[in-house]
Amino acid sequence: QKEVEQNSGPLSVPEGAIASLNCTYSDRGSQSFFWYRQYSGKSPELIMFIYSNGDKEDGRFTAQLNKASQYVSLLIRDSQPSDSATYLCAVPAGGTSYGKLTFGQGTILTVHP
Amino acid sequence: NAGVTQTPKFRILKIGQSMTLQCTQDMNHNYMYWYRQDPGMGLKLIYYSVGAGITDKGEVPNGYNVSRSTTEDFPLRLELAAPSQTSVYFCAAGQATYNEQFFGPGTRLTVL
Repeated sequence: QKEVEQNSGPLSVPEGAIASLNCTYSDRGSQSFFWYRQYSGKSPELIMFIYSNGDKEDGRFTAQLNKASQYVSLLIRDSQPSDSATYLCAVPAGGTSYGKLTFGQGTILTVHP
Repeated sequence: NAGVTQTPKFRILKIGQSMTLQCTQDMNHNYMYWYRQDPGMGLKLIYYSVGAGITDKGEVPNGYNVSRSTTEDFPLRLELAAPSQTSVYFCAAGQATYNEQFFGPGTRLTVL
């Protein structure tokens, strides 16, 4: 089983809709979770992180964590064409991680007008 | 602050050639990382460093070498380039306490 799995998509939603991106992880000991956004031809940038079970909201973005089910999701409300990008889920690598992250393969999101 | 910078932005190599990808950060972060990203794939860790003089292998180190003589610089060396090393290479810097990593703009490498 891969350590971090994401639906590769592509996911297409209309402008103004809610986009839901999902990620599952295999290490039950994972304590923190990260969502990076990567525009085409650009580098990843951190948009959300979450440590505790439940929801964390930041503007139009909400991260949801369910440790019992080992999944983390990212909701984007009122999706805009500018949200079109690849979204990468990441968790700290196991053991003594030294800040290392294990990334999922990413979900391509397209928001169409 | 420039953050993390990488040079060159693009490079074409012939099979068997060597090159060094440069990475510099001005964030004073101890931890630095090199990743490669193949089309439609996530990021694979090549090497990482926890401070000057200390480096270790990541998930896909074969065919690469690194050094870390200063906090700021973390060059990645490709010896005997192969077509399988065609990829986009990202350097990142971070602080382990938070696991947040800041990425450079990337180097797009093609080996023909």
